[in-house]
Amino acid sequence: VQLQESGPGLVKPSQTLSLTCTVSGDSVNSGAYYWTWIRQPPGKGLEWLGYVFLTGSTSYSPSLKRRIVMSLDISANQFSLTLSSVTAADTAVYYCARAANGGSFDFWGQGALVTVSS
Amino acid sequence: EIVLTQSPATLSLSPGDRATLSCRASQRVNSDSLAWYQQKFGQTPTLLIRSATTRAAAIPDRFSGSGYGTDFTLTISRLEPEDFAVYYCHQYGNLPWTFGPGTRVEIK
Repeated sequence: VQLQESGPGLVKPSQTLSLTCTVSGDSVNSGAYYWTWIRQPPGKGLEWLGYVFLTGSTSYSPSLKRRIVMSLDISANQFSLTLSSVTAADTAVYYCARAANGGSFDFWGQGALVTVSS
Repeated sequence: EIVLTQSPATLSLSPGDRATLSCRASQRVNSDSLAWYQQKFGQTPTLLIRSATTRAAAIPDRFSGSGYGTDFTLTISRLEPEDFAVYYCHQYGNLPWTFGPGTRVEIK
């Protein structure tokens, strides 16, 4: 199983950050996993952002709930993240991950650094 | 939201030493749904332990997890040079899922 993040590395303040995670070796159509986004600001710890499930159901971090949307593209075997109205505080390495066995992250993407700057 | 507190923040040990890392939850973690991850500098986190005590695939048996309810422990029985890293606990028994702030295990 491999996951790979893709998207712009630089986003201007107040604009929207969009990332896609391409999954290989598994199917996002599987009902066994939660497809998850996690981020890590430079030099800091990990922050769970949310997940999307096969049915399209989602759960988001309360602190980001008003700005975040996650979705699945079953035909492309991808899932995506959009985060609106970004500020410098959203600068981080963004990881996509597969949550299995109820929610532990067994496979991760390599991470994508997104910098918010004008 | 469950807040996870990890202690100590930094652990200074020598290769061969035993490492004991603590993760305390602000409320009971449902079904002991607690995982531990290792993150080496500049690398992606790796799952070590899930469900508080179950080692993930291919994880050496010097790593063990214990605990239940609100108090959990990761033990590394004998530190190898490659074990010096940051360790995070993560609870997934209650939404929103949360991470602890991490414990850095450094070479003394």
